[in-house]
Amino acid sequence: EVQLVESGGGLVQPGGSLRLSCEASGLTFSTTWMDWVRQAPGKGLVWVSRINPDGRTTGYADSVKGRFTVSRDNAKNTLFLQMNSLRVEDTAVYYCIVDRSGEFDYWGQGTLVTVSS
Amino acid sequence: QSALTQPPSASGSPGQSVTISCTGTSSDVGGYNYVSWYQQHPGKAPKLMISAVSKRPSGVPDRFSGSKSGNTASLTVSGLQAEDEADYYCSSYAGGHTFVFGGGTKLTVL
Repeated sequence: EVQLVESGGGLVQPGGSLRLSCEASGLTFSTTWMDWVRQAPGKGLVWVSRINPDGRTTGYADSVKGRFTVSRDNAKNTLFLQMNSLRVEDTAVYYCIVDRSGEFDYWGQGTLVTVSS
Repeated sequence: QSALTQPPSASGSPGQSVTISCTGTSSDVGGYNYVSWYQQHPGKAPKLMISAVSKRPSGVPDRFSGSKSGNTASLTVSGLQAEDEADYYCSSYAGGHTFVFGGGTKLTVL
């Protein structure tokens, strides 16, 4: 059974940084594309970032490009999202997702990031 | 990376069929056959219902079907059941290792 467990969310001030982690199990992590998707409270889903299996190819939404960095540690089956220069509008639940050719077929439970002063 | 356009709401009575549209551009929906649909119940993580425009993952009832014409994709739910009441989101590959979601449609079973 595939399991994705996110952690690292919390309250941070505008302009601050936060690093999210996602520990994966039940799959061959080192051959799997992974994504981050977020959902602001009461709002819709927004795609954030994507990373290929060896970590050398990434993609970002325009709204986070230059501020967020996705990375992975295949030895530890862990996906990361480094978030810098955080803004109030980055407040959301962040989901870690298994990406099989654009099919987001496994989702974590999400971790809440709140950006507020 | 503009969001795909979905109607905010849709509704139908039990047993009826309802279709939800998802309109993009030639740079996303119209340019690729990587359109997926997700169902989200309140407080839950989204669930993949349709992938690659019309492929139904194992375990998804055959009441759910997908299609695409030009820059518009559609999700049809036939034989509506109470448990189908949820939010539905479409997504599409948009090139350059990026994706885009629709704004979501709240489906109400009357």
